[in-house]
Amino acid sequence: EVQLVQSGAEVKKPGESLKISCKGSGYSFKTYWIGWVRQMPGKGLEWMGIIYPGDSDTRYSPSFQGQVTISVDKSISTTYLQWSSLQASDTAIYYCARPNGDSLFHWYFDLWGRGTLVTVSS
Amino acid sequence: EIVLTQSPGTLSLSPGERATLSCRASQSVTSNYLAWYQQKPGQAPRLLIYAASSRASGIPDRFSGSGSGTDFTLTISRLEPEDFAVYFCQQYGSSLTWTFGQGTKVEIK
Repeated sequence: EVQLVQSGAEVKKPGESLKISCKGSGYSFKTYWIGWVRQMPGKGLEWMGIIYPGDSDTRYSPSFQGQVTISVDKSISTTYLQWSSLQASDTAIYYCARPNGDSLFHWYFDLWGRGTLVTVSS
Repeated sequence: EIVLTQSPGTLSLSPGERATLSCRASQSVTSNYLAWYQQKPGQAPRLLIYAASSRASGIPDRFSGSGSGTDFTLTISRLEPEDFAVYFCQQYGSSLTWTFGQGTKVEIK
């Protein structure tokens, strides 16, 4: 079965660091870009960035550049989203999702993980 | 950045009725690169439509997409109980500056 399996919910305090994960299976993980999408409570979706597991080429949305770090370990088909210092405004559900489409960097998302809820509260 | 505005915010309909959802872009979407997603409470979004009118794999034919340029529409021909959800549009015509609409909730009347 083609799927993305994400790590479990996290509760953190402001200023703490965090790394969440997403493991792909059932398809050739190394040959598909994979990305992260944020959904703040009761809000819409925001694309954060994508990474190519084959060579770790990473592209960020301008809104998230410098705010988070996306990485990958292709040996275990897993991508990561990392914060060095969380803020309350980082409270959201974070989805990993696989981009797809006919034209380079013109992509929709055809496969989604179930999401990781990150709660940042003092 | 292309801003997508979805309307209405909430659509109250009965099973069996037709649903028409709108997604308007602040500028023309290149190559009609527009997708629609369905999201149910506590679940991840599911791709319904891409390239404005192509149904994703496994999506029933009661879902259809249309439009071009700045105006796009998702139509659900006859609402089934499982179709009551939130629907988002996404433009991917701008390279690496993809954006989503704020969503339309389809609720049972």
